[in-house]
Amino acid sequence: GAVVSQHPSWVICKSGTSVKIECRSLDFQATTMFWYRQFPKQSLMLMATSNEGSKATYEQGVEKDKFLINHASLTLSTLTVTSAHPEDSSFYICSATIGSSNYGYTFGSGTRLTVV
Amino acid sequence: DQQVKQISPSLSVQEGRISILNCDYTNSMFDYFLWYKKYPAEGPTFLISISSIKDKNEDGRFTVFLNKSAKHLSLHIVPSQPGDSAVYLCAARSSGDKLTFGTGTRLAVRP
Repeated sequence: GAVVSQHPSWVICKSGTSVKIECRSLDFQATTMFWYRQFPKQSLMLMATSNEGSKATYEQGVEKDKFLINHASLTLSTLTVTSAHPEDSSFYICSATIGSSNYGYTFGSGTRLTVV
Repeated sequence: DQQVKQISPSLSVQEGRISILNCDYTNSMFDYFLWYKKYPAEGPTFLISISSIKDKNEDGRFTVFLNKSAKHLSLHIVPSQPGDSAVYLCAARSSGDKLTFGTGTRLAVRP
């Protein structure tokens, strides 16, 4: 089946630094990738949608200059949290689809970000 | 405004019995509904889905029922097994293939 690899699985960084999270589709070409974050006891919240070769579309309330998304190829999307602050500490998950989402969404294993 | 709601945060069921997980939604534009199984610090794993034009979909021990008039769907697991213990997420699809998730229900299946 389709596999999405997400790295790192956890990261601790100092406030003010930037952190990059990678999401790779290993055995398929992902036309669309989605980035979510989940705060404790809350649901997964969609942050942005990215299509290969075009700019990401951000959900309302998500700062595009803070959460930089790059989807340069059909197998790789990256999320960079710039100038991270403790309130950015969260669980970030990517998912990918092949063409129509009726083929299903495959999720990465998530990244636990802790900003100290 | 939470468009997908899983009111019960937890459910405990005896092994072999039926587990019923519920989900309510408010957006009538959702066209596809999905159930995921999730363990802590891992990504969701797809279980079963249903199109808004159907009212039932079955896959082995898992059956999803959709009541559009009530904007309610449920996931039935029968018979429940200890390995089913996990958090179950309900998700609904809207335009742009976006998924909106509920907060999840933690299922514990007692041996």
